[in-house]
Amino acid sequence: SQTIHQWPATLVQPVGSPLSLECTVEGTSNPNLYWYRQAAGRGLQLLFYSVGIGQISSEVPQNLSASRPQDRQFILSSKKLLLSDSGFYLCAWNKGRPLFDYEQYFGPGTRLTVT
Amino acid sequence: GENVEQHPSTLSVQEGDSAVIKCTYSDSASNYFPWYKQELGKRPQLIIDIRSNVGEKKDQRIAVTLNKTAKHFSLHITETQPEDSAVYFCAATNTGNQFYFGTGTSLTVIP
Repeated sequence: SQTIHQWPATLVQPVGSPLSLECTVEGTSNPNLYWYRQAAGRGLQLLFYSVGIGQISSEVPQNLSASRPQDRQFILSSKKLLLSDSGFYLCAWNKGRPLFDYEQYFGPGTRLTVT
Repeated sequence: GENVEQHPSTLSVQEGDSAVIKCTYSDSASNYFPWYKQELGKRPQLIIDIRSNVGEKKDQRIAVTLNKTAKHFSLHITETQPEDSAVYFCAATNTGNQFYFGTGTSLTVIP
């Protein structure tokens, strides 16, 4: 079966500091990978998605970036955090080609507080 | 792009009653509509989904209906239990990559 991991689980960072969040998926190959952000009490905002190594699509222009250095690894980064970057960051996956399946599953999330 | 609206934003029901949450979408090309349940502080969990070639799907106490003509779909929970209390999100996609989520419904089941 497939498993998705995220770390760290919680993070407190000062404004202006860098950020690196990591997501890995086990038990599948060539997954589509996603980063979402959820502000407190709000809905899910798609930040980035990737259909393959080195292929990143950005949904919202901001001070965040994403990279996919390996097939099952997705990294969310920032050079300088803003207060507005606080939130619950969720990685998700669904099956990529050739077994493409729309069903999307979420990781446990990283709760980021920028102080 | 797609726009998904979800209503109501909050819903309180007595235990044993039914709950209905509705979503509308704007893009007629959308063809997959999942529903997620999110308990406080946890990840969203996929609870049921429906594809555009189906009008209704059931899984025990939950069901989803889709009206493609009117571009709306609904989540129905029957015989509600306290453990059904959570935030529910609907979503729509036509690519399987770009999912557009509703703003969520906070459901409270009163024992």
